[in-house]
Order: sequence, then structure tokens, then C-alpha cells
Amino acid sequence: DGGITQSPKYLFRKEGQNVTLSCEQNLNHDAMYWYRQDPGQGLRLIYYSQIVNDFQKGDIAEGYSVSREKKESFPLTVTSAQKNPTAFYLCASSIVGAATEAFFGQGTRLTVV
Amino acid sequence: GQQLNQSPQSMFIQEGEDVSMNCTSSSIFNTWLWYKQDPGEGPVLLIALYKAGELTSNGRLTAQFGITRKDSFLNISASIPSDVGIYFCAGRRGGGADGLTFGKGTHLIIQP
Repeated sequence: DGGITQSPKYLFRKEGQNVTLSCEQNLNHDAMYWYRQDPGQGLRLIYYSQIVNDFQKGDIAEGYSVSREKKESFPLTVTSAQKNPTAFYLCASSIVGAATEAFFGQGTRLTVV
Repeated sequence: GQQLNQSPQSMFIQEGEDVSMNCTSSSIFNTWLWYKQDPGEGPVLLIALYKAGELTSNGRLTAQFGITRKDSFLNISASIPSDVGIYFCAGRRGGGADGLTFGKGTHLIIQP
């Protein structure tokens, strides 16, 4: 089945540790995105990538880093510099074009203790 | 970054009632999307709108892309229990792969 896979579903980390969230897609989409969701809030864009080896900062990139070495994969690292990392993280992908929609993975809930 | 103005924030309705929610923006969008999210899951795309004035249906759901390109609405007719969840509007400005801008969501609750 084609889709977007995020892993793990739940992640616990100690404060001050970096943590990497995985996102893989087999939809052959060029563009991939990372969003953060807090309770009662909409989704806010962290980073996005339109093509392999290229990515752009979104609205809340501070404290996060990404890489795009393969078309299928777009991992997100939450660094110790992120002041409030506990959140629900969502990965999405889309084709590149004038009329495109984004499809989402199932999310990773990160809790920092 | 900008978020879309989505209303209402929550709705308490009886099963069988119709539902209406909308999103507005101070700037123009070229694409409007409506998603539904269940607790602990990723958003699922319901309807995509690409042209100003476009009216699109998906079963009991109907959405419209506003003529000004600054607003959109979603209607759900004859609500059923599985309609419960959070509905998000999202807009895309460009024609490339820039990210979506989201509303804060409308929480739909169906009372027995």
C-alpha cells in the first residue's frame, strides 16, 4: 500500500537529548513537510523540502534540523535547543504543482521529561 | 507565521443535524483543503478546492472556495456519530511545494 509512515508512534526522551523522528513515503512525491501540533492548535510548519538535498525553513524551524538524502525519507531531529519539544509531530508529502494536496502520516507523539 | 481564522472553535450538535464551518484569511490562497483528524491520528484529506467559486461535494460533505480567494466553508449534512472529530481548513498560496497554512480547527461533538 502507498502511504507515509512515521515512526515511532510514541517517543519519550530526557530533557537535553537530541531525538530523531522518522518519516518515509512510497508515494513518489517530491515534496515533504514536517508540522508540529499542540493541543487546541492547528498545525505549524517546521521544515519542508521540494527536492532531494534541498530544504527550507518553515514558520517555527528554531531548535529543529532535517535532512533529505533520499526522495523517500525526510527525518526530523529535535535538538536540545528546542525550548518546548513536547508535541505531536506530523509528516506530510505532496507532488509539486499548481494544484496539489498534502497527505499526512499517523504522527509521532514526543514527550520530553 | 499566519494561521487561518477558523470558526466555530467547537460545535455541539444532535445526530442528524447539518453542520457548517468556515475559514477566512487576510491574504489570498490558490488552494483550499479540508481535513478531518481523529484523536492521536494524522489528518485525513476530505475535500480539495483549486478554483475560486468552486463548489465540491464528497458524499455528505460540501465545500466551497470563496470568490475572493480569502475564504472557504465546509458543510456536513445529516451528521452521524462517526463525523465526530476535529476539522481543519488549510490553504496554500503558491503553485509549487510551499507548506500549507492551517486554521486552529473546529471540534465537532455529537450529543446522543
